Amino acid sequence: DAGVTQSPTHLIKTRGQQVTLRCSPKSGHDTVSWYQQALGQGPQFIFQYYEEEERQRGNFPDRFSGHQFPNYSSELNVNALLLGDSALYLCASSLGGDEVSGHEQFFGPGTRLTVL
Amino acid sequence: AQSVTQPDIHITVSEGASLELRCNYSYGATPYLFWYVQSPGQGLQLLLKYFSGDTLVQGIKGFEAEFKRSQSSFNLRKPSVHWSDAAEYFCAVARGGATNKLIFGTGTLLAVQP
Repeated sequence: DAGVTQSPTHLIKTRGQQVTLRCSPKSGHDTVSWYQQALGQGPQFIFQYYEEEERQRGNFPDRFSGHQFPNYSSELNVNALLLGDSALYLCASSLGGDEVSGHEQFFGPGTRLTVL
Repeated sequence: AQSVTQPDIHITVSEGASLELRCNYSYGATPYLFWYVQSPGQGLQLLLKYFSGDTLVQGIKGFEAEFKRSQSSFNLRKPSVHWSDAAEYFCAVARGGATNKLIFGTGTLLAVQP
């Protein structure tokens, strides 16, 4: 049973560029959440997708956008990259329709984004 | 607003010694509580969770945590630490309901001395 997978593993971009990160959820999961983890910090919630809709959003600007596909995989897009966007981006999957077990999130290995 | 505090940024213990990592949360009701571990350059692995019921919960790798409502705490413990336990540990809370975003503490980095 494959867990949560993310691609690419590492990415280097320059300021002003745009980036797309990808996530495939754990088999059987239908909800994908994205988190940003800056160096030395805990992960910060960006947004969550369920049934191809953004269900909740954290305190991130509109430069951060996402998408969920019918197969439940998801993309995170960041436009107009800033140096401060350098971080580990983590994807987590869960079961969206279950009140209790839906709160158990399984994380992927992350994508390390460096903005120069 | 919900928040999670992990007062210890860095802890060093000797191999075989006991361990307790502290976590305090701020929330009006009883949240869902989690401990995750992160090895260098890796994602997060769930160690244990508390949703309801018995306030002492057992997790993987010999870890346990105790929920104390009166102290708004959810401390992580292990009776005997192994060198492979060296990692960063994150406490997290979720509010419950339709959305399950996790709010994380800033983490505690555990070093294990031989």
